[in-house]
Amino acid sequence: DTGVSQNPRHKITKRGQNVTFRCDPISEHNRLYWYRQTLGQGPEFLTYFQNEAQLEKSRLLSDRFSAERPKGSFSTLEIQRTEQGDSAMYLCAGEGGPNEQFFGPGTRLTVL
Amino acid sequence: DQQVKQNSPSLSVQEGRISILNCDYTNSMFDYFLWYKKYPAEGPTFLISISSIKDKNEDGRFTVFLNKSAKHLSLHIVPSQPGDSAVYFCAASEDNYGQNFVFGPGTRLSVLP
Repeated sequence: DTGVSQNPRHKITKRGQNVTFRCDPISEHNRLYWYRQTLGQGPEFLTYFQNEAQLEKSRLLSDRFSAERPKGSFSTLEIQRTEQGDSAMYLCAGEGGPNEQFFGPGTRLTVL
Repeated sequence: DQQVKQNSPSLSVQEGRISILNCDYTNSMFDYFLWYKKYPAEGPTFLISISSIKDKNEDGRFTVFLNKSAKHLSLHIVPSQPGDSAVYFCAASEDNYGQNFVFGPGTRLSVLP
């Protein structure tokens, strides 16, 4: 148990619907990362926060995706107008220092 | 174009023997390399890392070897245990910042009792 939790663990939605995922890192994690992992691939970086500031977004993060980290604690990732290609495992990771990334269990999204 | 490749999707090893997981990369600017282990229904967990100033790093049963000229690294697990059965991801970066890590597709290791 890394201490990083994600909710929900599974989400099934219909195409076109909006979904929101939540990540709760441990309090010492100044940096928080979101990744996407599709079947047979490793995690792909989406975006990261240093405290409450969103510092970088991957080109994978289309304008239908938005992430927030109010007050530098938990973070949410919202996908609007979901598409079947959004089906993936969404992982968040907290980082307290270099090489110290602690991943949550992920939210598996299935878009029908 | 995958910058980090793990060409063996799966590997089976007998308990007690050595497991060798391989990783190749294309970007010569990569200087930091990590291995993560992932069990089903869990997120990846950090296992071991190496920077380009070293060619070997050891932690208990786990040793990572880096060959920069060949752009190749490998993870050795000896002796292998059934609890080592998991998916192993190799990751690389030009610096030590998490947003720049590029992950390979993973190798599923099965350690048979």
